Amino acid sequence: DAGVTQSPTHLIKTRGQQVTLRCSPISGHKSVSWYQQVLGQGPQFIFQYYEKEERGRGNFPDRFSARQFPNYSSELNVNALLLGDSALYLCASSLAFPQSSYNEQFFGPGTRLTVL
Amino acid sequence: SQQGEEDPQALSIQEGENATMNCSYKTSINNLQWYRQNSGRGLVHLILIRSNEREKHSGRLRVTLDTSKKSSSLLITASRAADTASYFCATGLTGGFKTIFGAGTRLFVKA
Repeated sequence: DAGVTQSPTHLIKTRGQQVTLRCSPISGHKSVSWYQQVLGQGPQFIFQYYEKEERGRGNFPDRFSARQFPNYSSELNVNALLLGDSALYLCASSLAFPQSSYNEQFFGPGTRLTVL
Repeated sequence: SQQGEEDPQALSIQEGENATMNCSYKTSINNLQWYRQNSGRGLVHLILIRSNEREKHSGRLRVTLDTSKKSSSLLITASRAADTASYFCATGLTGGFKTIFGAGTRLFVKA
């Protein structure tokens, strides 16, 4: 079975541009979460979607937005890119309802975004 | 500030030795998960322990959870060079939708 997939693998953008990252969850998983991981740090929570609705949001500016589609895939959009947005962006999917104590999250390989 | 904090920040051991990593957190949790990450790639899920559990095993991994002390430990027995990686704990918050990661422990296993 395919795991979580993300595209693209790598991306180079310049300041002020906009970027869209894509994620396909494991088949049957209805929850998708997005994380930002800066080099040398742990992942920082950005968003969680369950059944196409935003269920949680981390401390990120409004330049960050996301959505989940009827097939449960998801997109993360970042507008007006800053140098500090350079990071590995990780997507995770889970089967259980987000508040469930059984909510194991499985991660994709990530998209490495470089902002010049 | 991050919810989970791993200790130590870095650990270097010989192949065959045991490695113990600790994680402390601040607020009430539903569960705690441990992940491994190799060289900045995606995270590999190792084990999930629920808030009403005290210990879980998976192969060479043993995880404990002490909710009274708000802490967890990950023990890797008989370590191998292939265990070299960063290890993160992640807490699922009670009543919330966030999973909060610590900064990680960097484990280096020398052959």
